[in-house]
Amino acid sequence: DAGITQSPRHKVTETGTPVTLRCHQTENHRYMYWYRQDPGHGLRLIHYSYGVKDTDKGEVSDGYSVSRSKTEDFLLTLESATSSQTSVYFCAISESPGLSGANVLTFGAGSRLTVL
Amino acid sequence: EDKVVQSPLSLVVHEGDTVTLNCSYEVTNFRSLLWYKQEKKAPTFLFMLTSSGIEKKSGRLSSILDKKELFSILNITATQTGDSAVYLCAVLNTNAGKSTFGDGTTLTVKP
Repeated sequence: DAGITQSPRHKVTETGTPVTLRCHQTENHRYMYWYRQDPGHGLRLIHYSYGVKDTDKGEVSDGYSVSRSKTEDFLLTLESATSSQTSVYFCAISESPGLSGANVLTFGAGSRLTVL
Repeated sequence: EDKVVQSPLSLVVHEGDTVTLNCSYEVTNFRSLLWYKQEKKAPTFLFMLTSSGIEKKSGRLSSILDKKELFSILNITATQTGDSAVYLCAVLNTNAGKSTFGDGTTLTVKP
């Protein structure tokens, strides 16, 4: 996972508390993504960013917000965590797909969140 | 909405067998299809396919794309226990700059 780190790697919290997950990259890639992965499902996109202060929603964005104030950091916030948000969260980065014609994602190691 | 469907969802084989994993898709403004391997941790990149009929190979793994019928296959020959993993297929929508993933195929290779 060189070049992309997630923190914390594990977190247990209670329903109703706020939670922030951090993704940090040293690759200077323009695009950053937050996915969640649940048993029986692949990766579902929560939010993504295509530049500093430029973000957009994914397919499962309800209950989540993001911020990107610097190229290297992408924060995912659960304002009031619920048990349905218990999951493994992956951050990913990529270069500009429009320029390269591809979108090879490099993933962080994942953050396992348990909401009791 | 973009959609990716993988089959089978799970597969159990014995070492030495050959397996074929399927991925069908519906996506506006298709740019590329990618395969990833996930072994109890983060997914890692296997192949990127952008043109029909051109086979990509890496050792015992190979993949091909059919843009007319909207599907791709991933073949693994002479399987080994180390091939046990979840194989994920993803398609890139250029306009949105984001990838949509299928639910994955869980491959178990028994000795």
